[in-house]
Amino acid sequence: ETGVTQTPRHLVMGMTNKKSLKCEQHLGHNAMYWYKQSAKKPLELMFVYNFKEQTENNSVPSRFSPECPNSSHLFLHLHTLQPEDSALYLCASSQVLRETQYFGPGTRLLVL
Amino acid sequence: KNEVEQSPQNLTAQEGEFITINCSYSVGISALHWLQQHPGGGIVSLFMLSSGKKKHGRLIATINIQEKHSSLHITASHPRDSAVYICAAPQGAQKLVFGQGTRLTINP
Repeated sequence: ETGVTQTPRHLVMGMTNKKSLKCEQHLGHNAMYWYKQSAKKPLELMFVYNFKEQTENNSVPSRFSPECPNSSHLFLHLHTLQPEDSALYLCASSQVLRETQYFGPGTRLLVL
Repeated sequence: KNEVEQSPQNLTAQEGEFITINCSYSVGISALHWLQQHPGGGIVSLFMLSSGKKKHGRLIATINIQEKHSSLHITASHPRDSAVYICAAPQGAQKLVFGQGTRLTINP
């Protein structure tokens, strides 16, 4: 247990569906991150939120829409995804930027 | 070419062996991270180091800033050490660039 939870753990969706991934951290951290891990590729940073403000969008397609309502919660809204978006999506948090990041267990997403 | 390169990509060893995983990076950094990812996906941060050496149990991480190289060592390896080990270097204020990972398998 790292203090970062993600739901759901597994998700199968069609290309026309809309779904959301949820991340919650119980560590009192101020920075939260979304990462994508595709098969046989390094982890890729998607978004960074610092004190609820988005500070990094790593050229992510608009079919991925993040939301950070408060410092403890982070969502990733998904719509009209493509099969190549199938991957493990990991959330992480850190006390402040550049400090050790604590990762959630990830959501394994399959887009059909 | 990835800015963070790890070697080897795959490593299989017998229980008890001394393990070394290497990481070279091309970006200028202030600190390097070592992470462990178990089957199923969960990632645990092992070390963040900016100079010298850090030790935690049977794990030792070293870094040479001048040579832009870091190593992760595991002493008296055990099957439960089997995982993917990832090094990551900060790029800018908030971005981590990750290596492709080293898949370690320790056989009993």
